[in-house]
Amino acid sequence: SQTIHQWPATLVQPVGSPLSLECTVEGTSNPNLYWYRQAAGRGLQLLFYSVGIGQISSEVPQNLSASRPQDRQFILSSKKLLLSDSGFYLCAWTTGPPRAYGYTFGSGTRLTVV
Amino acid sequence: SQQGEEDPQALSIQEGENATMNCSYKTSINNLQWYRQNSGRGLVHLILIRSNEREKHSGRLRVTLDTSKKSSSLLITASRAADTASYFCATDGMDSSYKLIFGSGTRLLVRP
Repeated sequence: SQTIHQWPATLVQPVGSPLSLECTVEGTSNPNLYWYRQAAGRGLQLLFYSVGIGQISSEVPQNLSASRPQDRQFILSSKKLLLSDSGFYLCAWTTGPPRAYGYTFGSGTRLTVV
Repeated sequence: SQQGEEDPQALSIQEGENATMNCSYKTSINNLQWYRQNSGRGLVHLILIRSNEREKHSGRLRVTLDTSKKSSSLLITASRAADTASYFCATDGMDSSYKLIFGSGTRLLVRP
């Protein structure tokens, strides 16, 4: 069966420090991968999605970046965190367009920038 | 921008009662989906309803879709304390087949 792993679960980082969040999917090949951010009490905002290795689409201009070094690995990074980067980060995958399949989400990373 | 908006923002009911949440959206859609999020966790896909469907059932869940009013409702029957969670509707963005747009959710509290 397919599973998605996301880590760490919580992270407290100072302003200006780098960030690396990792997401991996098991049990499937060539998944579509997504990074979403959820502000407190709000809906989800799509940050990046990837339909293949090295293919990254950015939805929102910001100081975050994403990379997909392997088929089932998706990494969210920042060189210098801002206070506004605090939030709940969720990785998700689909086998095709999410309009037809729906997302399978990871358990999320709670990031607090101090 | 948010495509779907849930109503109410928060709902508190007694165990055993039915819970109804509504979602309104702005533009034409292909599908509408509902998700559940337990506190501090990822979202779980509940149900997908296509634009040519009017009603769909899954266990204690009943979803309706009215494309003329651009609205959907999620009904949870015979609620349980374990149904306590936030519920989100999500619609596809017409400008991208790889993006779903989520509303801000309804927080449901089921009191034992």
